[in-house]
Amino acid sequence: AQTVTQSQPEMSVQEAETVTLSCTYDTSESDYYLFWYKQPPSRQMILVIRQEAYKQQNATENRFSVNFQKAAKSFSLKISDSQLGDAAMYFCAYRSRAGYSTLTFGKGTMLLVSP
Amino acid sequence: GAGVSQSPRYKVAKRGQDVALRCDPISGHVSLFWYQQALGQGPEFLTYFQNEAQLDKSGLPSDRFFAERPEGSVSTLKIQRTQQEDSAVYLCASSLAGLAGGEQFFGPGTRLTVL
Repeated sequence: AQTVTQSQPEMSVQEAETVTLSCTYDTSESDYYLFWYKQPPSRQMILVIRQEAYKQQNATENRFSVNFQKAAKSFSLKISDSQLGDAAMYFCAYRSRAGYSTLTFGKGTMLLVSP
Repeated sequence: GAGVSQSPRYKVAKRGQDVALRCDPISGHVSLFWYQQALGQGPEFLTYFQNEAQLDKSGLPSDRFFAERPEGSVSTLKIQRTQQEDSAVYLCASSLAGLAGGEQFFGPGTRLTVL
């Protein structure tokens, strides 16, 4: 079974600064997807960024980028130029490429953004 | 509709009562997932439907939990004889693809509190 670990329960950043959220995972599979989801206080989970394991290039979406280290099974999220609207719970998630495959989530990191 | 909707948004039940939680997926989405999110935790998989077929119910915590999707669209998660440990947010997600995955779009969740 796959596991996802987020070791930072809470992180703080000031507006316009950069913050990195950590995630490690464990799997015996070679082909899979990794995701970062954002869950604001209203609770609707939103996909932030996605990485396919077979791609060596790190995914980037505007101010959000990942550092994917497959051998180390590490998948961190970097948020640049942080904004107040980035404040939320962030979840790292894993999904096998095989079949329909559900998502396996970490426990989340609460990101606080101060003016 | 524009997104996944869930009702009710909040539900308070007395221990021992039965509850029914509804999920309206995005129109045309083949796959539907239910997750349980305990306080301070990441979502955990409960069950998966492809159209009306329940292909995986391995995450249902007990036989008090039952889910259905009789016409391949709306789904209902029913919990019989609720217990305090059932208190959680129940998330529904849908995706366009059947097998081989696809981005999951989440609803706002139903917060269930069992007294």
